[in-house]
Amino acid sequence: DGGITQSPKYLFRKEGQNVTLSCEQNLNHDAMYWYRQDPGQGLRLIYYSQIVNDFQKGDIAEGYSVSREKKESFPLTVTSAQKNPTAFYLCASSIKINSGSQAKNIQYFGAGTRLSVL
Amino acid sequence: DQQVKQNSPSLSVQEGRISILNCDYTNSMFDYFLWYKKYPAEGPTFLISISSIKDKNEDGRFTVFLNKSAKHLSLHIVPSQPGDSAVYFCAASGSGTSYGKLTFGQGTILTVHP
Repeated sequence: DGGITQSPKYLFRKEGQNVTLSCEQNLNHDAMYWYRQDPGQGLRLIYYSQIVNDFQKGDIAEGYSVSREKKESFPLTVTSAQKNPTAFYLCASSIKINSGSQAKNIQYFGAGTRLSVL
Repeated sequence: DQQVKQNSPSLSVQEGRISILNCDYTNSMFDYFLWYKKYPAEGPTFLISISSIKDKNEDGRFTVFLNKSAKHLSLHIVPSQPGDSAVYFCAASGSGTSYGKLTFGQGTILTVHP
C-alpha cells in the first residue's frame, strides 16, 4: 500500500527536550516537505528537500532541523530552541510532473503528528 | 505578507446546492494552483488543480475557475453533499519561486447541511 506514514500520531515534549517526528514514504517521490498548521491558519513550510542529502529552509525553519539520508525518509527534529512547538505537523512528498513547458507539483500528505508541550 | 488569501473562514450550504469557495493571490509569479480538502486530525487530500494557461478545470462535481487578471480562483462543488464538509485550502506555486514550494491560504470550513 503506497503512501506517506507519519509517526507518532501524538507526541508530548518536555521543557528543554528535543523530539523527532518521523516521515516515511514509499511512493518513490524525490521531494519531501514539512509543514506546521496552527488553529485557524494555513500550512506553513518549515523545511523541504528536493533530493537525498540536500534540504532547504522554508518560511519558519528556526528551532527545527531535518536530515535526508534516504529517499524514503525525512525526519524532523523540534529542538528546545523552538519556543512554541505546540502544533499539528504535516509531512508531504511530491513528484515533478512535466506538462509541456509547465511543471506541476502535486504534494501528497501524511496523516500528521500532533505535538503538545507538557 | 499573505500571498494567498481565503477571506471567508466558513461557508454553510444546503445539500444539493452549489458550494463556491474563493481564493485570492498577490504574487504574479504563481502559475499553478491547487485545492486540498482536509478533515480534522488528518492530512490534506489533493482535490483538483489548474495551471495558468487554463481558466477552467473540471473533475466530476468539482470545477476550479481561474481569473488571472483579477488574481482570483474559485472552487465550485455541485451538487454539495454532507461528506463534503471539511476544511478547504487553496495553494499556489510558481516557476519563479523555489521549486516545489506551495503557499497555502488559511482555509475555509465548509459545512453541508442535509
